[in-house]
Amino acid sequence: DVKVTQSSRYLVKRTGEKVFLECVQDMDHENMFWYRQDPGLGLRLIYFSYDVKMKEKGDIPEGYSVSREKKERFSLILESASTNQTSMYLCASSSRGGSGGSTDTQYFGPGTRLTVL
Amino acid sequence: GESVGLHLPTLSVQEGDNSIINCAYSNSASDYFIWYKQESGKGPQFIIDIRSNMDKRQGQRVTVLLNKTVKHLSLQIAATQPGDSAVYFCAENPPSNTGKLIFGQGTTLQVKP
Repeated sequence: DVKVTQSSRYLVKRTGEKVFLECVQDMDHENMFWYRQDPGLGLRLIYFSYDVKMKEKGDIPEGYSVSREKKERFSLILESASTNQTSMYLCASSSRGGSGGSTDTQYFGPGTRLTVL
Repeated sequence: GESVGLHLPTLSVQEGDNSIINCAYSNSASDYFIWYKQESGKGPQFIIDIRSNMDKRQGQRVTVLLNKTVKHLSLQIAATQPGDSAVYFCAENPPSNTGKLIFGQGTTLQVKP
């Protein structure tokens, strides 16, 4: 059974704090993703990684950074949290897929509801 | 740019009826499509997928139909139950081979007892 876990379900932080969101997958997937989800805006990709120590910016990387030191773990970092980063954060992973590099299904974690005061 | 959209933001059905949720995609070269279910406060959950070389795929109580001519995807849920109440959204894999999916905005399914 596929498993993506996130370190916290709910998190409350203050403006200016450094925030770490951790994601771990046990499926030996190459690809990992961080999204934020806001009402009316759907899922927006922040960063993704297709291999250890590799990362690519998504659609809204500003104010965020990521770290992938091990294949199973992908961390999202808010260097200085701001109130507009209050959101639901979702991590996902997928395998590299079949021949030709086609993508495979993304499996999501339960999400972290972050509130920045 | 590319987009995946859902026709209706909210769908209300009677328990026991069949539900049909629709999705339009814009890239005719997309080769893979997924339907997700997201319950309140939880992460999206994979329901069913379909590749572009198929036009229909069935799961347990769910069927996905793909019409490539009009770039339309639908999810049919048979005998809808209260536990089916959730947001459903589709995703497409564009021909970029980056692993990134494009997600629709979602349709809220409300099941009336």
